[in-house]
Amino acid sequence: DAKTTQPNSMESNEEEPVHLPCNHSTISGTDYIHWYRQLPSQGPEYVIHGLTSNVNNRMASLAIAEDRKSSTLILHRATLRDAAVYYCILRYTGANSKLTFGKGITLSVRP
Amino acid sequence: EAQVTQNPRYLITVTGKKLTVTCSQNMNHEYMSWYRQDPGLGLRQIYYSMNVEVTDKGDVPEGYKVSRKEKRNFPLILESPSPNQTSLYFCASSTPGVGNTEAFFGQGTRLTVV
Repeated sequence: DAKTTQPNSMESNEEEPVHLPCNHSTISGTDYIHWYRQLPSQGPEYVIHGLTSNVNNRMASLAIAEDRKSSTLILHRATLRDAAVYYCILRYTGANSKLTFGKGITLSVRP
Repeated sequence: EAQVTQNPRYLITVTGKKLTVTCSQNMNHEYMSWYRQDPGLGLRQIYYSMNVEVTDKGDVPEGYKVSRKEKRNFPLILESPSPNQTSLYFCASSTPGVGNTEAFFGQGTRLTVV
């Protein structure tokens, strides 16, 4: 499985934008870039995914580098509820399109 | 509301006493899987199922069994639990074989084996 590399932690102030980076230099052409987050005491929750183009949804934006070797999850206005562990995952199209979770990045949001 | 439901949420049991953790989804997904989450090790896949009566091992299947007799249910069975199976377990479902769909996770089952 292609791996991702994320910083261990990041801090942000409430109502400010947050940029969470992810490196995936061994990504293959059929890997989708997924982001999930896990709030304390909850199961992982889907945030966003993309293949080549930047993506926006109601939760966040995903900026994908042109060579696809890195991506950035953008939370436009962080809230206290956004404090969580964020996982950048490469999901391939195959029989077992499992999600391989790394350690993720722990986001703290200051009031 | 789309959801994956696991039961129980919390379970304390003794070594060797068979137990089953249930998982049910209401999205008609063919693909379901089980993960365990341990400190420092992250989430690791135990078993997965591509459809009814089709199951296969994930990364850490030892000590676990699964069955898939109906599309909506995917129970995790521990025939003889041991303390090293103390963990937080998550069930997930999604559309199979397609990398561009989201996975839905249950709320988790915290299992303690003493």
